[in-house]
Parts: sequence; structure tokens; C-alpha cells
Amino acid sequence: SAVISQKPSRDICQRGTSLTIQCQVDSQVTMMFWYRQQPGQSLTLIATANQGSEATYESGFVIDKFPISRPNLTFSTLTVSNMSPEDSSIYLCSVPGLSEQFFGPGTRLTVL
Amino acid sequence: AQKITQTQPGMFVQEKEAVTLDCTYDTSDQSYGLFWYKQPSSGEMIFLIYQGSYDEQNATEGRYSLNFQKARKSANLVISASQLGDSAMYFCAMSPPGGGYNKLIFGAGTRLAVHP
Repeated sequence: SAVISQKPSRDICQRGTSLTIQCQVDSQVTMMFWYRQQPGQSLTLIATANQGSEATYESGFVIDKFPISRPNLTFSTLTVSNMSPEDSSIYLCSVPGLSEQFFGPGTRLTVL
Repeated sequence: AQKITQTQPGMFVQEKEAVTLDCTYDTSDQSYGLFWYKQPSSGEMIFLIYQGSYDEQNATEGRYSLNFQKARKSANLVISASQLGDSAMYFCAMSPPGGGYNKLIFGAGTRLAVHP
């Protein structure tokens, strides 16, 4: 299984600002996924990030709000832009295994 | 479109007893994967068990087993000999063909409380 780390683990931000979340994997992976979990809710996929190409966003998520970078096969960032209290969530990155996905520990974001 | 339904918002079980968490799914794909994840209060997502749609035998991983009934489109998780550390949110999820290389669609989750 992959070992995944995320930074920061948690943050409290003011509305209107942006936060960049980092995801680091201990092995090279072609695909990385970014999910959002709003308070008391389930996980929803934001986008799929492949190295060397633009991220693919799910319905309801746009690049201007959630820009993603994938500079190499072990690293990705997700930026939450122009934040509002509705962006308060846990943000998780994941990578594929043989059949499953392995998740990072998550970034717990609170927007005031 | 694929959909996962977990009808039990909360469940409780006595320590050392078995518990079944329900999950039904809907898909028009013939090939798909079914997953269970555990989310403790820390927020991490811990992979528990996987069942492929073409697997004839129910998946088992230690104290976890998946009761897969394809005709009924159900994939219930059975936890045997519950432990206090099993108290957490449990999510059922499915993927279209491609397994882990495709997006996971999650159910609403079931919060399990294990009582001593």
C-alpha cells in the first residue's frame, strides 16, 4: 500500500483567501484523486489529476475555484480559492492500488 | 448513473458481538468494484475490503467479510467479534470498470458505536 502525506493537516482561514493543500506519495503513481467531505457528509470527487495533463473536474467543480497542479508522479497540490464558509470541509487525496484507493490523512479546513 | 445507498445512519453493537452494516447499489455496468472504508474521528479513510463484481466468493479480510448478493445488488459488511476500536463511520463505495483507477462513489455512511 502507498504511504500518503498531506499538508497542512488542518487550517483555519478567513473568507476571501486561498489555501494550497499538498499531497505527497512515497511511490510514483499515474493518477491522483482529490475528494471533498463536507461536515457530516460523504466524500465527493473533485477532480482526477494525471501527471503531464490538465486535471479532469467533476460536475459542480471548476478549475478557477479548485486549481490543481501535478508537477511529478509523487506530488500534487489542490488550491481552494476565494474561500467562503461553505468550503469548510475535509479535503483528501487518494491514489490507486491494485483494486482499491488509498487515502491520505486529510486536511481539515475551517473558513471563518 | 451509479448510486450507493446506506440506510442505517447509526448502529450500535455490544463488544465481542457481530454486526452487519447494510449497503445496496445501483449500476448498469456489468463490471464494477465494491469497497468498504472506515473513517475514525481523526478523519482518515482506512480501506477495509474489496469485492469485484465477477468474484464468485465473498471477500474476507480478518474480522471483516463482505456479504455480496449480486442479484439483490447488496454488499453488506459483516464485522465479527466487535472491538471498541471499531467505533467509527463506515462508508460503502463502488467504482465503475477500472477499479481503483476510477472514481469512487460513496454512500452516506453508517456510524457504528461499540459498547463495552
